[in-house]
Amino acid sequence: EAGVTQFPSHSVIEKGQTVTLRCDPISGHDNLYWYRRVMGKEIKFLLHFVKESKQDESGMPNNRFLAERTGGTYSTLKVQPAELEDSGVYFCASQKTGRTEAFFGQGTRLTVV
Amino acid sequence: GQSLEQPSEVTAVEGAIVQINCTYQTSGFYGLSWYQQHDGGAPTFLSYNALDGLEETGRFSSFLSRSDSYGYLLLQELQMKDSASYFCAVRYSSASKIIFGSGTRLSIRP
Repeated sequence: EAGVTQFPSHSVIEKGQTVTLRCDPISGHDNLYWYRRVMGKEIKFLLHFVKESKQDESGMPNNRFLAERTGGTYSTLKVQPAELEDSGVYFCASQKTGRTEAFFGQGTRLTVV
Repeated sequence: GQSLEQPSEVTAVEGAIVQINCTYQTSGFYGLSWYQQHDGGAPTFLSYNALDGLEETGRFSSFLSRSDSYGYLLLQELQMKDSASYFCAVRYSSASKIIFGSGTRLSIRP
């Protein structure tokens, strides 16, 4: 079984540019989460999808961030326009409904310069 | 509100036992999980407690006291490879988001 995959693994962009991160969850996992970890601090919740619906987006920092999960499969997280404080490692995790374990991807390290 | 507290750093000696505590405040509670993250890696699931008591998985054990809103992760026979960050995480319903603590960086000395 393939794990959660994220693309790209690294991205360096200039302030004001746009970046789109992609997450492919484990097949059959209805729950998909986006998290961000900044400078070794907490793993901060951003968004929770159940299938294609946004169950909870209370962690999205502002309207520069847009997440989609069309068809309930892969998800994208777009940052437009990027700011310096958006730098960090963005993790995606997926979870099968009713199970306790969430599986994380390797993350995308975003650096905004 | 929802918040979790755990120590930022813990140092221990190889072969010893270490306990990492976690206290939580949530508007509801469904279960407490623990995750391990090595530098540059992905968080990986270690354990889950929904009921009071101790869950043991090899060298790792996790404890929960719902009445005290408290749990801990116990690591025995520490190995150098156990050096990592450890996160406690809670969810307040079966369908809700998972909230992570700030993480405890465990450093192990020979």
